Amino acid sequence: KAGVTQTPRYLIKTRGQQVTLSCSPISGHRSVSWYQQTPGQGLQFLFEYFSETQRNKGNFPGRFSGRQFSNSRSEMNVSTLELGDSALYLCASSTGTGGTEAFFGQGTRLTVV
Amino acid sequence: QKEVEQNSGPLSVPEGAIASLNCTYSDRGSQSFFWYRQYSGKSPELIMFIYSNGDKEDGRFTAQLNKASQYVSLLIRDSQPSDSATYLCAVNKNDYKLSFGAGTTVTVRA
Repeated sequence: KAGVTQTPRYLIKTRGQQVTLSCSPISGHRSVSWYQQTPGQGLQFLFEYFSETQRNKGNFPGRFSGRQFSNSRSEMNVSTLELGDSALYLCASSTGTGGTEAFFGQGTRLTVV
Repeated sequence: QKEVEQNSGPLSVPEGAIASLNCTYSDRGSQSFFWYRQYSGKSPELIMFIYSNGDKEDGRFTAQLNKASQYVSLLIRDSQPSDSATYLCAVNKNDYKLSFGAGTTVTVRA
């Protein structure tokens, strides 16, 4: 059974650019959540999607957005990149019923220069 | 007050000893509790989850939950060098998100 797949694994972008990250969940999982991990702030919740609907959103500026497709794959987009957006972006996959286990992908390491 | 707090660490234990990790949470509405292990440069890996008060054992790992005290712990028995990692406590309120503690770094010395 394939795990959670995130692409790309590494990205280097320039301030002001935008970036799109992709996540394919475990087969059969309909929920995808996104998290940002930095040394200073730890793991912080960005948003969660289930059946193409955003069910919860964290405290991040509107530059951070996401969507989910009918096959449960999800993308997140960050526009007008800032240096502080440099982080490990993690996607988690779950069945989507409240409180169930979530499994993380390998992450996308974004560096903004 | 942070939603989830963990021992600041780092925690150093000799090989074969028990490592004890603690986590407290602030919201009494929290329903599900998880422990993740994260090796340096890797993503978090789910190692334990617990939903009911009491103990839950899985191999060398035991998770303990006390909802009245808003406390969850993880015991690692017979610690091995491969257990050296950062352990993250996560809490869910059935609101489709996990709230994480800052993590406790464990070093098992041979």
